[in-house]
This record gives sequence, C-alpha cells and structure tokens, in this order.
Amino acid sequence: AQRVTQPEKLLSVFKGAPVELKCNYSYSGSPELFWYVQYSRQRLQLLLRHISRESIKGFTADLNKGETSFHLKKPFAQEEDSAMYYCALRTNTGNQFYFGTGTSLTVIP
Amino acid sequence: KAGVTQTPRYLIKTRGQQVTLSCSPISGHRSVSWYQQTPGQGLQFLFEYFSETQRNKGNFPGRFSGRQFSNSRSEMNVSTLELGDSALYLCASSRGADEQFFGPGTRLTVL
Repeated sequence: AQRVTQPEKLLSVFKGAPVELKCNYSYSGSPELFWYVQYSRQRLQLLLRHISRESIKGFTADLNKGETSFHLKKPFAQEEDSAMYYCALRTNTGNQFYFGTGTSLTVIP
Repeated sequence: KAGVTQTPRYLIKTRGQQVTLSCSPISGHRSVSWYQQTPGQGLQFLFEYFSETQRNKGNFPGRFSGRQFSNSRSEMNVSTLELGDSALYLCASSRGADEQFFGPGTRLTVL
C-alpha cells in the first residue's frame, strides 16, 4: 500500500544552520514526489516536485529510489522558513495524492 | 486570477446531521480534489473529480460523497455525521495532473 512517512513532527534549528526534513515513502509503482509548505495563516502551497529538479527558496530534494526517500534540504535556514512542511506522493493512476503527517519547522533567530 | 474558494469557512453540526461543503476551483481547472486534515492523521485524500466524473477515491466510508458540476465547481457531502468527522476539509484544483492549488478549507465541528 502507498504510504508517506515523515518521522519528525517537530524540528527546530538555529538560523544559518543546515536543515533536513525527512520523508520516506512506499509505493510499488513509479512515484512522483512533492513537498508542500504551509506558512502561518496561509494556504498549503507547492514548494517543489522531484521531476522539476530545481531549487526553490534555497530548498532542494532528491528522490532516492533505493532508499525510497525524498528528504528536503537547505544549507542555511532562515527565519522565514518556519512553517509546516508536508511530503506527498502522487500515484501514476491520476491525481491521487498521499500526504505525510507533516513536520513543523521552527528556525530560531 | 482568483484562487480556490471554499464555503462555508466554518460549520458547526451535531451528530447524525448531514453537511454539504462547496468548492469553486480556479478558472480553467477541471480537476478538483478533496482532503480531510486532522492533527493526528495529517491530510487524507477523499476523492478527485475531473470533468464531472469521480476519477479517484480514497479510503473513506460511503457517508462521504461528492460531485462536480459542469462549471467544475464541486460539492462534498457527509451524511450521518460522527464526532470523528470534525476536521478541516481542504479542496484543491488543478488543470489536470499538475500542480494543485489549495483553498483555505472549511472547518467542520461536530458536537
């Protein structure tokens, strides 16, 4: 069965420190992975998707099919990165998404 | 262009009642998906509609149903409400199989 796991509910880092939000998935097919972010009092929005292979707001994520992971990384955390982050998987049967339970990131000034 | 809108934003119902939530997608978007968000479970996929047809369905009981109209607006209905149905219900729209844009959600409280 499809499943997305984000092992950390809460993560705190100091400003300027590297940050890594973990995401592991299980899916028998060829997955498409996404990271969504929700800033305080804002809507959930797409941060990045693995097929784009681009860096958004300094964040990158690499799909590791061997480890079935899609960890989100940023070398130097900023205060404005404080938000809720969700990892999501889309199956190849249409627009059906499976979300992780989210990680709340706090960047300490 | 206008974003995804959901009405109502807040709703209080009692057990056993039924409720209908509405979602208006971004103009031109034909896919509408619904999610239930709770603190313990995160976002859980309810169903997706595309061109008035249910294309995907999550693992929810039959009390949860939906439909989509010819203008792509969508409604979801929950019958015989239970306390555990209290949640934030999110709607998201997309053109097809690309980026989803989320609405602000409808906060449902079942007493």
